[in-house]
Amino acid sequence: EAGVTQFPSHSVIEKGQTVTLRCDPISGHDNLYWYRRVMGKEIKFLLHFVKESKQDESGMPNNRFLAERTGGTYSTLKVQPAELEDSGVYFCASSQGGARRDEQYFGPGTRLTVT
Amino acid sequence: AQSVTQPDIHITVSEGASLELRCNYSYGATPYLFWYVQSPGQGLQLLLKYFSGDTLVQGIKGFEAEFKRSQSSFNLRKPSVHWSDAAEYFCAVVGRNNDMRFGAGTRLTVKP
Repeated sequence: EAGVTQFPSHSVIEKGQTVTLRCDPISGHDNLYWYRRVMGKEIKFLLHFVKESKQDESGMPNNRFLAERTGGTYSTLKVQPAELEDSGVYFCASSQGGARRDEQYFGPGTRLTVT
Repeated sequence: AQSVTQPDIHITVSEGASLELRCNYSYGATPYLFWYVQSPGQGLQLLLKYFSGDTLVQGIKGFEAEFKRSQSSFNLRKPSVHWSDAAEYFCAVVGRNNDMRFGAGTRLTVKP
């Protein structure tokens, strides 16, 4: 069974440009999460999808970030326009159930560098 | 607020030596606690988790962790470290909204 995949693995863009990150969860997992780790700090929650609906987006830093999950399968996270402080590693995770005890399976992350 | 603190940013141990990585949590109720490991180029892999019951939890790769409510701690241990254990380790607690709250991570270096 394939794990959570993320694309691209690394993206380098200039300030002001747009970048779209993609996450493919484990097949059958209704719950999808986005996290971000900035500059060696702790990994922080961004948002949580249940199928195609946003369950919790309290961690989204500002309106330059837009997450979608059309059809309840893969998800995209768009940053527009990108700023220097957006640099970091963006992780996606998925879980079958949405309970607190349900294991979240993480992808390898996308390293975003904004110059 | 639910949070986790990992006091050690970087730890170096010799291969074959024992290891203990510290984790302190802040949570009002019974916490759901996790330890993850990230090797270079890999995603976060779950080592072990604690929800309730026996406070000594066994995980994969020979790791274990002990939940101590009185100390608000969930330290990760391994009796004998292997060179392949060199990685970054993250402690996490699940928040009330099912969001994972991570510590800043501890990077482990293993000396030959």
